[in-house]
Amino acid sequence: GQNIDQPTEMTATEGAIVQINCTYQTSGFNGLFWYQQHAGEAPTFLSYNVLDGLEEKGRFSSFLSRSKGYSYLLLKELQMKDSASYLCAAYTGFQKLVFGTGTRLLVSP
Amino acid sequence: DGGITQSPKYLFRKEGQNVTLSCEQNLNHDAMYWYRQDPGQGLRLIYYSQIVNDFQKGDIAEGYSVSREKKESFPLTVTSAQKNPTAFYLCASSIIGGSAKNIQYFGAGTRLSVL
Repeated sequence: GQNIDQPTEMTATEGAIVQINCTYQTSGFNGLFWYQQHAGEAPTFLSYNVLDGLEEKGRFSSFLSRSKGYSYLLLKELQMKDSASYLCAAYTGFQKLVFGTGTRLLVSP
Repeated sequence: DGGITQSPKYLFRKEGQNVTLSCEQNLNHDAMYWYRQDPGQGLRLIYYSQIVNDFQKGDIAEGYSVSREKKESFPLTVTSAQKNPTAFYLCASSIIGGSAKNIQYFGAGTRLSVL
């Protein structure tokens, strides 16, 4: 079966750090994607982890542990514009992604 | 500008009617995808295509049909057999293999409602 779990909603304050967790159980795994989606808009690519470890890209970092079936997205120096849904997706091979339900992040002043 | 264009942005369907959602890309990507997004649910794959004149069913293909006559175009038809078509439909495309790591890029979506 395919199962991706992430929290439904999180809140944080402008300037803070927030960590969004994602656990996965999939038949076949080749990497983990994170996308950002503002309400009513297209998802936009944030990061892709294939190997274990942390990848940093500006204010955003993503971590993967393949042995634990676990990933997180770390957002630093939060800004109001970071209020959005964050989608975790497992790449299972043959061009197929399995998406979680998304985590809605609300950043308050 | 390269990108993925979906049209229309909003679409209304009457009972018993088939409607077609357009998706065009000028990124020269080989693979194209259709997803459905419902509130509280993740994106679910409807159909995907890796090459012209070939496509595969995704997880929720019933009530939908597609064609891939050109590399740039992957239209989705929502047929009258789809009893609950109200949703946000997203088209995506990707390179197959290579350094792009199968990153899927999305269009702006079509919101379909039933009258």
